Amino acid sequence: SQTIHQWPATLVQPVGSPLSLECTVEGTSNPNLYWYRQAAGRGLQLLFYSVGIGQISSEVPQNLSASRPQDRQFILSSKKLLLSDSGFYLCAWNRGSGVQETQYFGPGTRLLVL
Amino acid sequence: LAKTTQPISMDSYEGQEVNITCSHNNIATNDYITWYQQFPSQGPRFIIQGYKTKVTNEVASLFIPADRKSSTLSLPRVSLSDTAVYYCLVGGSQGNLIFGKGTKLSVKP
Repeated sequence: SQTIHQWPATLVQPVGSPLSLECTVEGTSNPNLYWYRQAAGRGLQLLFYSVGIGQISSEVPQNLSASRPQDRQFILSSKKLLLSDSGFYLCAWNRGSGVQETQYFGPGTRLLVL
Repeated sequence: LAKTTQPISMDSYEGQEVNITCSHNNIATNDYITWYQQFPSQGPRFIIQGYKTKVTNEVASLFIPADRKSSTLSLPRVSLSDTAVYYCLVGGSQGNLIFGKGTKLSVKP
């Protein structure tokens, strides 16, 4: 069976510090991978998605970046965090089979920027 | 990608049937309609997906009229544990779905 992991689960960082959130998927190969952010009381905002190693599409240009160094690894980064980067970050995956596939979400990382 | 419109919130009582309607006027021919459920501090969870007419699973039913410009998620006999945010999404083959603000369902005893 497939599982998706995210870490850390929670993170408190000062403004201006760097960020690295990691997501890994087990039990499948060549998944589509997604990073979402959810601000308090808001819907999910798609940040990045990837259909393969080294292939990243950005939905919302901002001070965040994403990388996919391995097939089942997706990393969200920032060089300098802003207060507005606080939120609940979710990684998701699905199969790129050509038909709409269910997205499976990880447990999320709650980030608080102070 | 098709935009969706759904009520911001709904209230219900235990044991009642709840129907949440979503509008998606510019749905494309190859778009499916998918509903997710999200509890606080958790990622969304797939509930049901359909293309046309009616789909039913052990959790919910999804009704889609012939023009596919709207859809209705039906939750039979809700319980307190069904209190959550429900998202309606439409999208195509890449799966890069757009989540709106969803409908916050509150089930009261």
